[in-house]
Amino acid sequence: DTGVSQNPRHKITKRGQNVTFRCDPISEHNRLYWYRQTLGQGPEFLTYFQNEAQLEKSRLLSDRFSAERPKGSFSTLEIQRTEQGDSAMYLCASSRDLPYEQYFGPGTRLTVT
Amino acid sequence: GQQVMQIPQYQHVQEGEDFTTYCNSSTTLSNIQWYKQRPGGHPVFLIQLVKSGEVKKQKRLTFQFGEAKKNSSLHITATQTTDVGTYFCAADLMIYNQGGKLIFGQGTELSVKP
Repeated sequence: DTGVSQNPRHKITKRGQNVTFRCDPISEHNRLYWYRQTLGQGPEFLTYFQNEAQLEKSRLLSDRFSAERPKGSFSTLEIQRTEQGDSAMYLCASSRDLPYEQYFGPGTRLTVT
Repeated sequence: GQQVMQIPQYQHVQEGEDFTTYCNSSTTLSNIQWYKQRPGGHPVFLIQLVKSGEVKKQKRLTFQFGEAKKNSSLHITATQTTDVGTYFCAADLMIYNQGGKLIFGQGTELSVKP
């Protein structure tokens, strides 16, 4: 069990650029979650997958955000036309169907300048 | 929308003192989970509570789920410097009978003075 991994760990980009993050879940976990966390706040739910199916996407997400999990293994989160307000830590987590305890990756820290 | 309120936001204690954080929801929850996040780290799962009135213990940590399944608490007895971090409750909304969508509270940041 190598845990959840995320790449890159840090990303600095200019406003208006597109960025893509990758998450590799624990191999036997079929659920994968994306969260966003800003300083002093709890993780904020963005979206989650069961296998390759995207079950829900937060209404807080604009159309600039998209996530995929094409083969039910790794996932990517893309942000188009980044804005300064997108600066945050993007966390990925995975779990089994039951129990739902989630294992988090180290996160990708995005800074939009 | 669904909100989970957690208090206090900060707690500073002397090593050896007890610590409690409280979590409240306006709606009945299917279950609640607790996570700990060390400074600079990521959330780490501590426990899940499912049953009304449930109490679970992990060494010096005691977790409770309210009878109405709308509130929960985490109590740490005799804090140690290793307890430092932010403790989050996370409510599972069980959307469409599919669990796993968690709504996190704001967290309680615990600092322990040796």
